[in-house]
Amino acid sequence: GENVEQHPSTLSVQEGDSAVIKCTYSDSASNYFPWYKQELGKGPQLIIDIRSNVGEKKDQRIAVTLNKTAKHFSLHITETQPEDSAVYFCAASGSPFLTGGGNKLTFGTGTQLKVEL
Amino acid sequence: EAQVTQNPRYLITVTGKKLTVTCSQNMNHEYMSWYRQDPGLGLRQIYYSMNVEVTDKGDVPEGYKVSRKEKRNFPLILESPSPNQTSLYFCASSLSWTAFNSPLHFGNGTRLTVT
Repeated sequence: GENVEQHPSTLSVQEGDSAVIKCTYSDSASNYFPWYKQELGKGPQLIIDIRSNVGEKKDQRIAVTLNKTAKHFSLHITETQPEDSAVYFCAASGSPFLTGGGNKLTFGTGTQLKVEL
Repeated sequence: EAQVTQNPRYLITVTGKKLTVTCSQNMNHEYMSWYRQDPGLGLRQIYYSMNVEVTDKGDVPEGYKVSRKEKRNFPLILESPSPNQTSLYFCASSLSWTAFNSPLHFGNGTRLTVT
């Protein structure tokens, strides 16, 4: 099955700096890569996703890049703000028709991002 | 408001005492799933359901049961809880069972402690 590794496990940046979180996946058939943000006491929320036919996607201060050859993808947050402090999860999903698992996402282990004033 | 609602938010119980965590969504979603979150392990899928009366095991199904009698509800049942089931549990749903078209929406979690 799919295995997703995520680094670093904790990341501390100064307000206004950039933050980068990296993930690698094992299954070359995976074709959907979402990123979730989990604030304290809440469930994960989708913040951005990328599909395998795209190399990069941007939404205001956040961007995701995908390198299918190397099987890794990254989340980039620019001009970080205190409200960006949260746990971030990457995930990967293959074709539900092949895996038989429906909308199955395999998650990374999470990155605790702390933006310091 | 579109949401996934889990109850209770916090639960402390003793080994062997059957419990149910409820999950309900108001978005008419086909797909529902349960995850557990443990430090250093991320989110792991317990069970999922692609539609009413259709359920299947995820990666860590041992010790859990689910049912999907109605489209909106997907309860998680622990028949005989054990301390290793102490965890933070999330219910999630999506419109369709194909990830491409429908992102997962998560509830706010249930923190379970089994002593």
